Amino acid sequence: QVQLVQSGGGVVQPGRSLRLSCAASGFTFSNYGMYWVRRAPGKGLECVAVIWYDGSKEYYSDSVKGRFTISRDNSKNTLYLEMNSLRVEDTAVYYCARGGPEGSYRRFDYWGQGTLVSVSS
Amino acid sequence: DIVMTQSPDSLTVSLGERATINCKSSQSVLYNSNNKNYLAWYQQKPGQPPKLLISWASTRESGVPDRFSGSGSGTDFTLTISSLQAEDVAVYYCQQYYDEAFAFGPGTSVEVK
Repeated sequence: QVQLVQSGGGVVQPGRSLRLSCAASGFTFSNYGMYWVRRAPGKGLECVAVIWYDGSKEYYSDSVKGRFTISRDNSKNTLYLEMNSLRVEDTAVYYCARGGPEGSYRRFDYWGQGTLVSVSS
Repeated sequence: DIVMTQSPDSLTVSLGERATINCKSSQSVLYNSNNKNYLAWYQQKPGQPPKLLISWASTRESGVPDRFSGSGSGTDFTLTISSLQAEDVAVYYCQQYYDEAFAFGPGTSVEVK
């Protein structure tokens, strides 16, 4: 069965860096677009980073552009989110999610369990 | 980028009654070449990841109870829970997957009266 298992996260000071990982199993990881979505306290869902199935294309929300980098290692079936210059407003639960096959635009059908990132001095 | 809005922000409904949530996109999410609306609905309960309920605006996912239904086209969409159950208490989000922003609506909180 499809599984997305997240790791990383924790408490970090403003300006510092953190890396999240998402290990995929149960499907051909290299065939699917992958995403990072966050939910800040008291707020709704925000798709912050997108990566195409082959890593050829990326997209970032304005709120994280220039600070966050999404990447993937298809040989390890793992998705990453490198978060630099973290701000208090980046505090949120972060989820990885699976999208559509190859370059297709599709809904997010499987989600990781979520990991809390807390940015505080 | 397409912007999604939802109404109401919150909804209190008696058990067994109907709940209706509206979602609007700033531009059409109907892709003319295949006549499909690139619109999904998700349910999120506290402490859990979002769960996909409906895709293509009206196609229920496998295992989703038939009291959940989606409708609409173009820029205006609706999620209906025909007979609210206690386990339906959650926040509901619409999402467009028409462009690479994959934007979500702000969410609608559904509670039991």
